[in-house]
Amino acid sequence: AQSVTQLGSHVSVSEGALVLLRCNYSSSVPPYLFWYVQYPNQGLQLLLKYTSAATLVKGINGFEAEFKKSETSFHLTKPSAHMSDAAEYFCAVSDQNSGYALNFGKGTSLLVTP
Amino acid sequence: DSGVTQTPKHLITATGQRVTLRCSPRSGDLSVYWYQQSLDQGLQFLIHYYNGEERAKGNILERFSAQQFPDLHSELNLSSLELGDSALYFCASSVGGARNNSPLHFGNGTRLTVT
Repeated sequence: AQSVTQLGSHVSVSEGALVLLRCNYSSSVPPYLFWYVQYPNQGLQLLLKYTSAATLVKGINGFEAEFKKSETSFHLTKPSAHMSDAAEYFCAVSDQNSGYALNFGKGTSLLVTP
Repeated sequence: DSGVTQTPKHLITATGQRVTLRCSPRSGDLSVYWYQQSLDQGLQFLIHYYNGEERAKGNILERFSAQQFPDLHSELNLSSLELGDSALYFCASSVGGARNNSPLHFGNGTRLTVT
């Protein structure tokens, strides 16, 4: 089954600094990859998705992710962190064996300090 | 607002009881997915329905069951509840079924507390 691994359960950055959240995937077929964000007491909101059209994917709120097949990675970045970016971030891969349900990573909690 | 509606928002019940969680998908979405989110297990896929038919099962316990009705809303039934069933239960919907890779849109979840 397709799966993803998120490196780092907690990441702390200063406001204005680069945000880098890591995700590696495991898939025997070309994967469909997603990043979601979850704010406290809310559901998951789609940030961006990779569907093989382009390796660099731009999402909402200034986030982007680059698909690197050679590294089996799909890391999420944002050039300049904002206080409002503090949230839980989840990488996910679509699993064709379960009706394209998403298999999620454990999540990375992003803390933004002033 | 994702367009996915889940009720109730909170549910507190005792061990051994049975509860029903309800989900209304986005207008036009035929697929409904149920997930369980807990601190120790993370986000776990439970079950997927497409246009009223069960399509895939994930880590769903036998004490749990679901169905999708003709109007496409779905219900997740949890019975013989145990303390460990306390979690956030999310419903998500998407346009496609087994051959469509559209993203999932999540509701705000139902927080179940079993005492």
